[in-house]
Amino acid sequence: GAGVSQSPRYKVAKRGQDVALRCDPISGHVSLFWYQQALGQGPEFLTYFQNEAQLDKSGLPSDRFFAERPEGSVSTLKIQRTQQEDSAVYLCASSNHRVAGFDEQFFGPGTRLTVL
Amino acid sequence: GESVGLHLPTLSVQEGDNSIINCAYSNSASDYFIWYKQESGKGPQFIIDIRSNMDKRQGQRVTVLLNKTVKHLSLQIAATQPGDSAVYFCAEITRLYNFNKFYFGSGTKLNVKP
Repeated sequence: GAGVSQSPRYKVAKRGQDVALRCDPISGHVSLFWYQQALGQGPEFLTYFQNEAQLDKSGLPSDRFFAERPEGSVSTLKIQRTQQEDSAVYLCASSNHRVAGFDEQFFGPGTRLTVL
Repeated sequence: GESVGLHLPTLSVQEGDNSIINCAYSNSASDYFIWYKQESGKGPQFIIDIRSNMDKRQGQRVTVLLNKTVKHLSLQIAATQPGDSAVYFCAEITRLYNFNKFYFGSGTKLNVKP
């Protein structure tokens, strides 16, 4: 079946430009996560949605970063006034949600953002 | 925040040899640990997980060992194949109110020489 998809796969932005990154999770998955992965590093948590509710946004690096999931499926990560330090791969992951126990996260291929 | 793993080292092994990839974690309260494989241009792919109340778990060609005393996690790959070449990340999972938060290490790059 279809996995997590992300678009665009690559984005080059000029410094100061706004960008929007899209994530299509696996159908029916309640949980959706955004991560930022710098070159040579592991993914760093940005934010978490349970359906349309953003329950944790503690990882967003600044108020230039904004994420939404208005209908509880597709999510968009928006970065305003991009800076060079925003250059990274942005990964989206989705999972089922269990009250207890472990939910495997399924990752998309990521969007590689380069800010010039 | 949590601290998991090592700054990206590289492990080179010969095809057919066994590989051992190590990871240190910091939060003794973590509930689960997972190993992920990430190939170039792709997202991380789940390999194997282990619960905090276990010390060993085996999968197909892979074994994860958990040593809670020294907060150490390892991934053993038997009979390493060229297709195993990738970056491997460990992740620790901590339960926060009603969701699981993942903390990833920086990874180990595995090069398999034919």
